[in-house]
Amino acid sequence: NAGVTQTPKFRVLKTGQSMTLLCAQDMNHEYMYWYRQDPGMGLRLIHYSVGEGTTAKGEVPDGYNVSRLKKQNFLLGLESAAPSQTSVYFCASRTAEIVYEQYFGPGTRLTVT
Amino acid sequence: AQSVTQPDIHITVSEGASLELRCNYSYGATPYLFWYVQSPGQGLQLLLKYFSGDTLVQGIKGFEAEFKRSQSSFNLRKPSVHWSDAAEYFCAVGENTGFQKLVFGTGTRLLVSP
Repeated sequence: NAGVTQTPKFRVLKTGQSMTLLCAQDMNHEYMYWYRQDPGMGLRLIHYSVGEGTTAKGEVPDGYNVSRLKKQNFLLGLESAAPSQTSVYFCASRTAEIVYEQYFGPGTRLTVT
Repeated sequence: AQSVTQPDIHITVSEGASLELRCNYSYGATPYLFWYVQSPGQGLQLLLKYFSGDTLVQGIKGFEAEFKRSQSSFNLRKPSVHWSDAAEYFCAVGENTGFQKLVFGTGTRLLVSP
């Protein structure tokens, strides 16, 4: 099993450009999450999904959109990138049966200039 | 609201010495507590977790943590640190909300000196 994978690993955007980050998991997990990690701030939840076709906002959702059309994929979109969105983005997933144990992907480092 | 405090931003330990990383949480009920490790350029890996029962939990890589309700703490320990333990360590508490959010501390970076 590959676990949780993220595409791309690195990306540089100009302000105003758009992009989509892809998270894929092969563990048949119901729950998926997108976090951002900034220095000195730990990880903060952007959006999450409790199942295929359902998404919800986390604590820092502004400027981001998500979709979960397939159970194994969770997409994070930036419609108009801003320098404040420079961060490392992590995707995580977990099964509904094991409370709170989340499995993380390797991260995507995004720089917005 | 739930919160997690990791008071040490950086800690330097000599190889072979013991380690203790501090974590304090704020949560109204019995918390679900986690320690994750992040090696440079990598994602987060679960070291150990506490849900209930024995307050001393064992994890991977020789780590253990002790839950102390009276002190609202969940400190991570290792008796003898190896150079490969150099990484960033995150404590997290699981919120008992509809979507089971994890609240993370700000992390402690461990440096291991020869």
